[in-house]
Amino acid sequence: DQQVKQNSPSLSVQEGRISILNCDYTNSMFDYFLWYKKYPAEGPTFLISISSIKDKNEDGRFTVFLNKSAKHLSLHIVPSQPGDSAVYFCAAHNPNYGGATNKLIFGTGTLLAVQP
Amino acid sequence: DGGITQSPKYLFRKEGQNVTLSCEQNLNHDAMYWYRQDPGQGLRLIYYSQIVNDFQKGDIAEGYSVSREKKESFPLTVTSAQKNPTAFYLCASSASGEKLFFGSGTQLSVL
Repeated sequence: DQQVKQNSPSLSVQEGRISILNCDYTNSMFDYFLWYKKYPAEGPTFLISISSIKDKNEDGRFTVFLNKSAKHLSLHIVPSQPGDSAVYFCAAHNPNYGGATNKLIFGTGTLLAVQP
Repeated sequence: DGGITQSPKYLFRKEGQNVTLSCEQNLNHDAMYWYRQDPGQGLRLIYYSQIVNDFQKGDIAEGYSVSREKKESFPLTVTSAQKNPTAFYLCASSASGEKLFFGSGTQLSVL
């Protein structure tokens, strides 16, 4: 049972255009969402996050939108650059996971390729 | 520079062999985690530890063991009971918040 889904395994975008990466979730109890960026053979690095009480968070070229009624969030990258080419993971925080202070559930990732 | 160090970068395991993956952090974080990544899949939680001398099973703990004798260290042993060990293993840590900091990973393969 996959609680966090990234239905697009890959996305190709031209440099300078907008990249939109999507993520859907099923558990309405998730209270915090994060996006991580991962290069091959490296660990993921934190990109941007959003609390469930907000619908938008912006950091430079990166904006995350949250639609709670649709249980959907998206990451917008504008303008896209070749260095943005990586796998992007969506993650949701479950405050009710056992005794852990931090339980993140990850999606399967979307490979973004930004073409020069 | 503060961070998480995983070693080795690449590791090969023979049939019936136990291997140990190292994870050290100097971020002074209380919580540490081990995740496994398989191609086309998300990160799955193996074990986590919130404080020294305490750890809990994650979603896929079978065939793995851990210890947390020091705050800075959280080694993962892949035992011979793990029948499909080939994967990319990621160690992470966090303070009291939700954000995880990851190491650079260890690729484990079976000979």
